[in-house]
Amino acid sequence: DADVTQTPRNRITKTGKRIMLECSQTKGHDRMYWYRQDPGLGLRLIYYSFDVKDINKGEISDGYSVSRQAQAKFSLSLESAIPNQTALYFCASQEAGGSGANVLTFGAGSRLTVL
Amino acid sequence: GQSLEQPSEVTAVEGAIVQMNCTYQTSGFYGLSWYQQHDGGAPTFLSYNALDGLEETGRFSSFLSRSDSYGYLLLQELQMKDSASYFCALGGYQKVTFGTGTKLQVIP
Repeated sequence: DADVTQTPRNRITKTGKRIMLECSQTKGHDRMYWYRQDPGLGLRLIYYSFDVKDINKGEISDGYSVSRQAQAKFSLSLESAIPNQTALYFCASQEAGGSGANVLTFGAGSRLTVL
Repeated sequence: GQSLEQPSEVTAVEGAIVQMNCTYQTSGFYGLSWYQQHDGGAPTFLSYNALDGLEETGRFSSFLSRSDSYGYLLLQELQMKDSASYFCALGGYQKVTFGTGTKLQVIP
């Protein structure tokens, strides 16, 4: 099984629908991230969480919300999807300290299309 | 805030050496990382520099100059499988911010 699992892997939806992307990790990491990737724009940070009670906005949080249900789970929601939210979304986890603290482990990605 | 700049594309010949540059602006520095992403895949960690100088891992080396706000990734003995996008990222144990990436094409 993958260390970081994202579901769904692909989703097509319509404008105005509510969408949830889920992420779970088995690495026991405290820190989790959601990024969005668009061609030519790299990875842009949507939200990040350093522990269950700590959630922070990234550079492009408008139109998104998150929930950290447990140490292992971090979900991203689009309350009312719009076409310009069509993108590839990545979840990642990270150790809070030690030699692995500099490494992000990514899930396989969730490709979302909003029609 | 933080920002990183990378050239958008680089082409290099199989067996050669290629250098991919990254310049950054940040109010607080916590390290520069490099990630590789193949088309359709997830980014994977390559290297991390917290201090000035060169870090070597096999065919990959990463360099940092904090005074110049500059780093680069060096790939030696290029192979076709090295064709991918390479991202520099600021952070480390703080939140991680990525550059827009350099797409490397390796040609025979």
